[in-house]
Amino acid sequence: NAGVMQNPRHLVRRRGQEARLRCSPMKGHSHVYWYRQLPEEGLKFMVYLQKENIIDESGMPKERFSAEFPKEGPSILRIQQVVRGDSAAYFCASLEWEATDTQYFGPGTRLTVL
Amino acid sequence: KQEVTQIPAALSVPEGENLVLNCSFTDSAIYNLQWFRQDPGKGLTSLLLIQSSQREQTSGRLNASLDKSSGRSTLYIAASQPGDSATYLCAVTPFSGGYNKLIFGAGTRLAVHP
Repeated sequence: NAGVMQNPRHLVRRRGQEARLRCSPMKGHSHVYWYRQLPEEGLKFMVYLQKENIIDESGMPKERFSAEFPKEGPSILRIQQVVRGDSAAYFCASLEWEATDTQYFGPGTRLTVL
Repeated sequence: KQEVTQIPAALSVPEGENLVLNCSFTDSAIYNLQWFRQDPGKGLTSLLLIQSSQREQTSGRLNASLDKSSGRSTLYIAASQPGDSATYLCAVTPFSGGYNKLIFGAGTRLAVHP
């Protein structure tokens, strides 16, 4: 059973461009979380999605950021008009179902904004 | 608002030493507490998960304790090895907010030298 996959692993964008980060959860997992890790900081929750639904986006910046988890395909975190402050590692984690405890983390996407 | 603090921020020790990493949290209303390991450029690996009703968990050379009333957890690493070098993150799952989202500390960067 392959683990959580994220791509790309590294992404470089210039200010004003769009960044798309993809997350494929573990097989059979229908719950996805996105976290952001700024340099020298811990991970901060951004958004929690189930298939075709955003359940909790309380950690997501109100502008420029959006997330989706379609019925088919990976979850996508989209950042429009990136700024230097968006440079961070973005991790996704998947959960089999909401009553379990263990979130399985992907390797992360490291976004650098020039 | 739940906050998680880890002390020390960094630690450098010779091989063979026994280590204690500390984690404190401000709100004792948690479902569980987890310790993760993060290697540079990689994702997170769950080391130990302690349910709120438990006092400790052990895995090999690792032992984690939880004192929920005082808002503290410690991760004990016995007979440290260079392969233990990594960042160790503590995270809690709070009652409030729901949805299993994790609140992380900033981590302790551990370096074990031969």
